[in-house]
Amino acid sequence: EDQVTQSPEALRLQEGESSSLNCSYTVSGLRGLFWYRQDPGKGPEFLFTLYSAGEEKEKERLKATLTKKESFLHITAPKPEDSATYLCAVPWNSNSGYALNFGKGTSLLVTP
Amino acid sequence: NAGVTQTPKFQVLKTGQSMTLQCAQDMNHNSMYWYRQDPGMGLRLIYYSASEGTTDKGEVPNGYNVSRLNKREFSLRLESAAPSQTSVYFCASSELPGSDSPLHFGNGTRLTVT
Repeated sequence: EDQVTQSPEALRLQEGESSSLNCSYTVSGLRGLFWYRQDPGKGPEFLFTLYSAGEEKEKERLKATLTKKESFLHITAPKPEDSATYLCAVPWNSNSGYALNFGKGTSLLVTP
Repeated sequence: NAGVTQTPKFQVLKTGQSMTLQCAQDMNHNSMYWYRQDPGMGLRLIYYSASEGTTDKGEVPNGYNVSRLNKREFSLRLESAAPSQTSVYFCASSELPGSDSPLHFGNGTRLTVT
């Protein structure tokens, strides 16, 4: 069965202290890996899609990378406004199409 | 631009009561989804509709029913609410099913069953 595992569950950083979040997956034939950001009381917001090993995408202080077994979300010089829960997801196949199977997320807190 | 709108935002039910959660999107998306989010469990798929006229069970469909009323609207019904259904429910939509386009989420319905 396809699975998505994220680590760590929670991460506390000082402003400017760079780090990485991990998403490992087991799927038969990856059809994309998605990263989302979720703020408290809100729905998840799309960040990136990665489709093949070696692919990288960037948005402001965030960079997502993909290997054959895992994806990393690198956060460079984070600011307090980067505090959120970050979710990764892979497509889950059924008879009539695909839906996304989400990991449990990494809760990031960036302190001034 | 409203995106995905969910109603109500909050709801308290007693065990055994029924209710329908409403979801509407104005992006002309083909696919729609219902997820629930619980502490320590993450987002879990309840039902989804890859296109108008089709619905499929997700990971946790028991106790729920859905209706894809038209291309814009996808409702989730709890026929006899149970405390285990206390959760935050998110509706989402995408232009294409699953892997080909990202999901756009509403801001959720917070349901408490006592």
